[in-house]
Amino acid sequence: GAGVSQSPRYKVAKRGQDVALRCDPISGHVSLFWYQQALGQGPEFLTYFQNEAQLDKSGLPSDRFFAERPEGSVSTLKIQRTQQEDSAVYLCASSPTGGVAGGPGRETQYFGPGTRLLVL
Amino acid sequence: AQSVAQPEDQVNVAEGNPLTVKCTYSVSGNPYLFWYVQYPNRGLQFLLKYITGDNLVKGSYGFEAEFNKSQTSFHLKKPSALVSDSALYFCAVIHGDSGGYQKVTFGTGTKLQVIP
Repeated sequence: GAGVSQSPRYKVAKRGQDVALRCDPISGHVSLFWYQQALGQGPEFLTYFQNEAQLDKSGLPSDRFFAERPEGSVSTLKIQRTQQEDSAVYLCASSPTGGVAGGPGRETQYFGPGTRLLVL
Repeated sequence: AQSVAQPEDQVNVAEGNPLTVKCTYSVSGNPYLFWYVQYPNRGLQFLLKYITGDNLVKGSYGFEAEFNKSQTSFHLKKPSALVSDSALYFCAVIHGDSGGYQKVTFGTGTKLQVIP
C-alpha cells in the first residue's frame, strides 16, 4: 500500500525566500508529525496534528515556521523568510489513531522520505 | 524530561558476526522504547518497540533488543550481520505512564557499517 509521501524531495531556496513543504500521510491516519533532522543528528520534533487540530507546536523554532492540516489529511509546513540555519531534512510521519488510551506517541510512526532543504 | 543516549557514533562489524548498537535512556517512570533504521535518502523505518512484557523484543529483519531496567538500556542486537544492514540506527523513547499524546525523543543515531 501507499506510504507517507513528501514533496518536493529536494528544495534549494535563497535566504529570505518562503518555502512550502507538503506531506501526504497514509490514508486514514489520524496523527501527523513533523520533524527537523539536521545533518548528523536525530529527528527533532516540530509539531503534531490530530486530524485537523494542531495539538502541539512547541517544537517550532520560530514564528517563521507554520504548519497546517486543514482537512485532516494533507499537511503543509511553511517556512517564511528562510535562513541558512533552516537547512535540514524535514520529515513527516503519520500514525493510525490519536486516542487517549493508546496515545499517539506509543504507536509506530510511519515516516516519509523527507524533504531536504538547502538555504543558500 | 526524557532523553536517550547512543554513545557510539559508528559501529563497525564484520559480515556474519553478531552486532550490538547501544542505547541508554533517561525517563521518570516506565519508558516506551523504539528502534528505527534510516537508509540513505529514505525515511526512518520502524524496527521494533518495547511497551511492556518480555524484556527481549523481536523485530524486523532479524533484529532484537533487550530492555534492561536496572541498566536503563535498550541495546539493539542481531546474531549475524549482513552487509545490507549498513545504515543509520536511531533509538527513541517516550514516558510510558501518562495517558494521551506525548512527544517522542530520538537519539543522535549510530552508523552501522558491516564489512564484507
